[in-house]
Amino acid sequence: DVKVTQSSRYLVKRTGEKVFLECVQDMDHENMFWYRQDPGLGLRLIYFSYDVKMKEKGDIPEGYSVSREKKERFSLILESASTNQTSMYLCASSFNQLLGETQYFGPGTRLLVL
Amino acid sequence: SQKIEQNSEALNIQEGKTATLTCNYTNYSPAYLQWYRQDPGRGPVFLLLIRENEKEKRKERLKVTFDTTLKQSLFHITASQPADSATYLCALGYAGNMLTFGGGTRLMVKP
Repeated sequence: DVKVTQSSRYLVKRTGEKVFLECVQDMDHENMFWYRQDPGLGLRLIYFSYDVKMKEKGDIPEGYSVSREKKERFSLILESASTNQTSMYLCASSFNQLLGETQYFGPGTRLLVL
Repeated sequence: SQKIEQNSEALNIQEGKTATLTCNYTNYSPAYLQWYRQDPGRGPVFLLLIRENEKEKRKERLKVTFDTTLKQSLFHITASQPADSATYLCALGYAGNMLTFGGGTRLMVKP
């Protein structure tokens, strides 16, 4: 079974803090994704990566950065957390998105920024 | 830009009935369409994929249809059970692009 794990289920941070969200997948997938999910807005893509050290902006990259130093690990960084970044963050991976491959999601991290 | 509409109101049905969820989109048709299930506090789980040249796909009690003329996909759960209660997301995929997700519809199956 594909497994995507995220470093924390719940996180509370203060405004201005630097926040790291880690995601690890164990299926040797090429593609990895970071989404945020808010009520009424669905899943919105923040960043994705199709290879080690490669990254592409999604729909809402402002205020975020990412890092992919190893194939299995994709990190989301909030350089200076703000209250409007309070959300559920979901990581996903897939083998080949261009062919319609399934995305496998982690359990999510619920982040609260005070 | 592409807009995806799923009924934001919860769908309440009685156990044993067929649940039908709708996913409508604007503009150009996707190369494929996926449906996911999401339980509270968890990540979405893939259920079914249907491609633009397919009219219908089935998997056990699940059935998905894809009508590119109506720009609509319907997701059916037959003989629904309380365990089917969850939020169901549709996602559109275009060649060379990432998935675009709808907001999801919450299904409540009452015993």
